[in-house]
Amino acid sequence: QKEVEQDPGPLSVPEGAIVSLNCTYSNSAFQYFMWYRQYSRKGPELLMYTYSSGNKEDGRFTAQVDKSSKYISLFIRDSQPSDSATYLCAMSANTGGFKTIFGAGTRLFVKA
Amino acid sequence: GAVVSQHPSRVICKSGTSVKIECRSLDFQATTMFWYRQFPKQSLMLMATSNEGSKATYEQGVEKDKFLINHASLTLSTLTVTSAHPEDSSFYICSGRGLAGDQETQYFGPGTRLLVL
Repeated sequence: QKEVEQDPGPLSVPEGAIVSLNCTYSNSAFQYFMWYRQYSRKGPELLMYTYSSGNKEDGRFTAQVDKSSKYISLFIRDSQPSDSATYLCAMSANTGGFKTIFGAGTRLFVKA
Repeated sequence: GAVVSQHPSRVICKSGTSVKIECRSLDFQATTMFWYRQFPKQSLMLMATSNEGSKATYEQGVEKDKFLINHASLTLSTLTVTSAHPEDSSFYICSGRGLAGDQETQYFGPGTRLLVL
């Protein structure tokens, strides 16, 4: 079993839809949870950063962490064609040298 | 967010030559830098972790003599692919871990696309 599981998609939605992206994980030591957006042929860009459980909102993006279920989500409201990218979840524990584990990434297409 | 730059953004070289990729943290001090490679439609694969002034720690299966990493300062790390071969063609991305504002996390460079002919 991988430490972090993420459905690679692709996920295709119409413009304006609410997008839900998810990851599950197995290591209960993870405390830091991130979402990165990666456009084709570019480096990942940090979107959201959450410590421990709870919700965090930034504009159209909301990140949720449920440590009891080992499940994290990223919601995108009013999705735009410019949101089309690959979204990577990532997480780390504050032990062992801060090694970050990445999900496989979900490819999202928002159709105009 | 913090800014990490990479140079060059794209390089084409002949088989057997060496290629150096630079990674700089522009507005924060990266206590730790990471080097990843990414194949098309796949996730990031960590190659090595380096702390400023120390030898890099390589992941299993990554040849340390082939992928030379130098982390000479808190803002600069270099990856040298020695005696490159076509199978080394990939997208190489560096990442700096540092404190930007009140968050300590990883910030990625834009990546370097290497093509070995």
